[in-house]
Amino acid sequence: DAGVIQSPRHEVTEMGQEVTLRCKPISGHDYLFWYRQTMMRGLELLIYFNNNVPIDDSGMPEDRFSAKMPNASFSTLKIQPSEPRDSAVYFCASSTLKISYNEQFFGPGTRLTVL
Amino acid sequence: KQEVTQIPAALSVPEGENLVLNCSFTDSAIYNLQWFRQDPGKGLTSLLLIQSSQREQTSGRLNASLDKSSGRSTLYIAASQPGDSATYLCAAPASGTYKYIFGTGTRLKVLA
Repeated sequence: DAGVIQSPRHEVTEMGQEVTLRCKPISGHDYLFWYRQTMMRGLELLIYFNNNVPIDDSGMPEDRFSAKMPNASFSTLKIQPSEPRDSAVYFCASSTLKISYNEQFFGPGTRLTVL
Repeated sequence: KQEVTQIPAALSVPEGENLVLNCSFTDSAIYNLQWFRQDPGKGLTSLLLIQSSQREQTSGRLNASLDKSSGRSTLYIAASQPGDSATYLCAAPASGTYKYIFGTGTRLKVLA
């Protein structure tokens, strides 16, 4: 299996622009998680899905952030408009209870810089 | 509310030493706990997952234990090598959810 795939790996944008981050989970996994990692706050869960349905979005910082999972093999995290304080590494992870008792597998991350 | 703490924040040891990394959690009603490794500028790699019914889990030179009653988990690394240098994070779920709370990690440096 290719593991969790994220794109782009690096994104540099200007304040006010829309940013879309993409994630392809491991095939057969039914949980998908979006995290943000910064030096100040560490690793924070933003939102997670089960069977394509958002379960907990309490970590989404504000209305500028939105996430979708239109099917089992694709999810997006969108920031509109972006701000410099959104600069961070965004990780996607997936898991399943069926095989590995919800062991989470992470993608390589997207490093976002908002100027 | 689940809180996860890792001590120490940083550790530097000579090659070959056995070492223990600590993870504490406040809500003991967890169904599992997971240890990860993160290399600089990289994603997280799963090392070990301990189910609530288990007391320990082993993979090669790594051994993780779980004591739910005391709210603690330890990651034991035997015969450390320079290639073990990385940040080690533990994560425990918030009670009754699949929302994982991460510790701030222990940054390990193994000196050759």
